[in-house]
Amino acid sequence: DVKVTQSSRYLVKRTGEKVFLECVQDMDHENMFWYRQDPGLGLRLIYFSYDVKMKEKGDIPEGYSVSREKKERFSLILESASTNQTSMYLCASSLSAGSAGYTFGSGTRLTVV
Amino acid sequence: RKEVEQDPGPFNVPEGATVAFNCTYSNSASQSFFWYRQDCRKEPKLLMSVYSSGNEDGRFTAQLNRASQYISLLIRDSKLSDSATYLCVVNPFTGGGNKLTFGTGTQLKVEL
Repeated sequence: DVKVTQSSRYLVKRTGEKVFLECVQDMDHENMFWYRQDPGLGLRLIYFSYDVKMKEKGDIPEGYSVSREKKERFSLILESASTNQTSMYLCASSLSAGSAGYTFGSGTRLTVV
Repeated sequence: RKEVEQDPGPFNVPEGATVAFNCTYSNSASQSFFWYRQDCRKEPKLLMSVYSSGNEDGRFTAQLNRASQYISLLIRDSKLSDSATYLCVVNPFTGGGNKLTFGTGTQLKVEL
């Protein structure tokens, strides 16, 4: 089974802090994604990467950056956390094929106070 | 218009009922379609892919209508354990990478 592991299940951070969310997958998938999920808004794509050191903005990249130095690891960085970034963050990975579905990590519930 | 639209529900049905969800998508060039299931406070998990010819997996049947740009999911003989949110997912094939677009989900509650 493909495993996507997110480093923290719950996080509480203060406004203005720099926050790192880590995601690791173990099945050699080319594509990795970061989403946030909020009630009524569904899943919104923040950033994605289709290869090492490659990154593309999603629909809501403002206030976030990413890093992909190794194929298996995709990090999401909140440069200066704000209360409106309180959310559930979900990492996913997939093969490149357009017919491939995603495998998600179990999510990180981030609260910014 | 949203790229993927679903009725948010909730659909409250008795155990044993048959329930159907529909979903519409806006990009006629879309090629891949999926249904995901998400339990409360958990991550989405792939339920099934949706093929042009339709496909069935046990009590679950998925259909695709390209002409009308909608996808359906039929659940027969509903179980309490089917209670979850069902996400309609489309690959619009825009830009690079395997980028999926998710609907906001339809909530199903199966009751005794």
